[in-house]
Amino acid sequence: EPEVTQTPSHQVTQMGQEVILRCVPISNHLYFYWYRQILGQKVEFLVSFYNNEISEKSEIFDDQFSVERPDGSNFTLKIRSTKLEDSAMYFCASSERQLDSNQPQHFGDGTRLSIL
Amino acid sequence: ILNVEQSPQSLHVQEGDSTNFTCSFPSSNFYALHWYRWETAKSPEALFVMTLNGDEKKKGRISATLNTKEGYSYLYIKGSQPEDSATYLCASNDYKLSFGAGTTVTVRA
Repeated sequence: EPEVTQTPSHQVTQMGQEVILRCVPISNHLYFYWYRQILGQKVEFLVSFYNNEISEKSEIFDDQFSVERPDGSNFTLKIRSTKLEDSAMYFCASSERQLDSNQPQHFGDGTRLSIL
Repeated sequence: ILNVEQSPQSLHVQEGDSTNFTCSFPSSNFYALHWYRWETAKSPEALFVMTLNGDEKKKGRISATLNTKEGYSYLYIKGSQPEDSATYLCASNDYKLSFGAGTTVTVRA
């Protein structure tokens, strides 16, 4: 069964450094998402992406965050200057369609980001 | 972001027993309610997407009901097995998912 893959599984970065988290969504999916879960808290929506544009973003997704689909397969989340509070598990998800809300989102295994 | 609540936070079930737990969500402007099963070190796995009031969905021994008027959904596990041990997440979908905190189920053999 096709799946969403994320790399790396664990990333350790010094505060202030840039980090790029990578995702390969399911190949025929058109909508892509990033979520995060800070330890002990709920999974939170960050951003959704369609047709090479951000379609929606949360208040968490400030100027330090950006997303990109650099080629036909990868979908990346960049944090420009990491802060301690960016430490979390980051999940990528994809779905075939967004407008039809019956579609489940398919999640990757996540990247654990640790900021030192 | 919608306020989605789940209870209880965790529960322990004896193998073979049945159990259920709740997800509550804002009933206004409802689009869809998703249930995910999340095992440690794995990705959340989609169980159900429910949209209509009175919906009942079933997947093996797991089933779910939906009441959109009062804003709640129940997830049922019949005859729990150790492999049912996981965190069960619900999320309300208004084109992005707003998650509850999850109910962690531990099935004791």
